[in-house]
Amino acid sequence: NAGVTQTPKFRVLKTGQSMTLLCAQDMNHEYMYWYRQDPGMGLRLIHYSVGEGTTAKGEVPDGYNVSRLKKQNFLLGLESAAPSQTSVYFCATRQDYYEQYFGPGTRLTVT
Amino acid sequence: KNEVEQSPQNLTAQEGEFITINCSYSVGISALHWLQQHPGGGIVSLFMLSSGKKKHGRLIATINIQEKHSSLHITASHPRDSAVYICAVQASGSRLTFGEGTQLTVNP
Repeated sequence: NAGVTQTPKFRVLKTGQSMTLLCAQDMNHEYMYWYRQDPGMGLRLIHYSVGEGTTAKGEVPDGYNVSRLKKQNFLLGLESAAPSQTSVYFCATRQDYYEQYFGPGTRLTVT
Repeated sequence: KNEVEQSPQNLTAQEGEFITINCSYSVGISALHWLQQHPGGGIVSLFMLSSGKKKHGRLIATINIQEKHSSLHITASHPRDSAVYICAVQASGSRLTFGEGTQLTVNP
């Protein structure tokens, strides 16, 4: 039982490159979230999903896209990376009215 | 003003001390979460509460809905408690709003 996994763990991109971050969960949770964490700021919600095939914008969605084609996977895409997207990205999952479970994080640097 | 304010931002304690971290929020909520983030970066949920008090080992979380305030207490603190403690509120639906976190260092 792996819980919540994130791929990759680290990545360095050049400005303008694209990439996809994968979040996978084996807990059959309905809700999935993508956050970014920056120094001096709390976790901020990028996009989230309340079930397979659904997505919704969070607090800071610009520059990111997401998809949830399968219940267990939530993908976060950066179409044209910018230095402002340098951050640590966390995926989280939740079921109903219980606590969130977080993935280990992906450290992304955009040069 | 942030919706979720934590205090203090940084806290240094000696091993064995009783520690309190505070969280104030400005919106009506359905639940409040306390999270712990270790130096390695991983985030774990400690408590989710909507009223009263919860206890797990040396950790105690309380919430006062009328005053829009919650506290996280650590009894008999230990160096392994050194981490960032994050308060988050769930106003409605499935979204959380996070505080900036409190960096706790417990010295031996």
